[in-house]
Amino acid sequence: EVQLVESGGDLVQPGGSLRLSCAASGFTFLGHAMQWVRQVPGKGLEWVSGISWNSGSKGYADSVRGRFTISRDNAKSSLYLQMDSLRPEDTAFYYCVRDSGTYYDSNGDYYFDLWGQGTLVTVSS
Amino acid sequence: SELTQDPAVSVALGQTVRITCQGDSVRNSYVSWYQQKPGQAPVLVISGNNKRPSGIPDRFSGSSSGTTASLTITGAQAEDEAAFYCFSRDNSGHHPVVFGGGTTLTV
Repeated sequence: EVQLVESGGDLVQPGGSLRLSCAASGFTFLGHAMQWVRQVPGKGLEWVSGISWNSGSKGYADSVRGRFTISRDNAKSSLYLQMDSLRPEDTAFYYCVRDSGTYYDSNGDYYFDLWGQGTLVTVSS
Repeated sequence: SELTQDPAVSVALGQTVRITCQGDSVRNSYVSWYQQKPGQAPVLVISGNNKRPSGIPDRFSGSSSGTTASLTITGAQAEDEAAFYCFSRDNSGHHPVVFGGGTTLTV
């Protein structure tokens, strides 16, 4: 079955760290860029970070740059998001997303074609 | 660059509804649309302005002209009630992709 399964969401105190993981299955993982998108409950979708198929290029939203680090392990078909210096405003569902292209910042007819079920990160004291 | 959507739209059962998405990036990029039902992850319903992925009912269609993209549901069903988000790549913005704010559809 083609799917993405996130894990690692938890309750963490402000200033703390968390590592999210995403296990991909049913498709050729290294053939796709991967992305993280988050959603505050009841609010809209926000792009967080993206990584190209070979980890050669990565990008971050302004709101997380310098605090979050995206990585991937193609041998394990896994995507990660290391989240440091967490803030209450980082509280959200975090979705692992497959990009239809190979570079996270490609222009053209590329879109997010597969989403995980999401994992909840709560930052609160 | 931003994509602007009406926050909420309603449609009578079986009628046709159009959900719009406005922004400069629409003019130069392909737009895709995502449906998100409560408690679920988003699902791609339209890619490349007007392509329906496998498994998406043909009552869903997309179009784009100038700075406005549209998602049309012809013969809306009760199960179509959801939030819909437009999306495009954005080579002129600070971030490589942009989402619309979302439209909640009530059937």
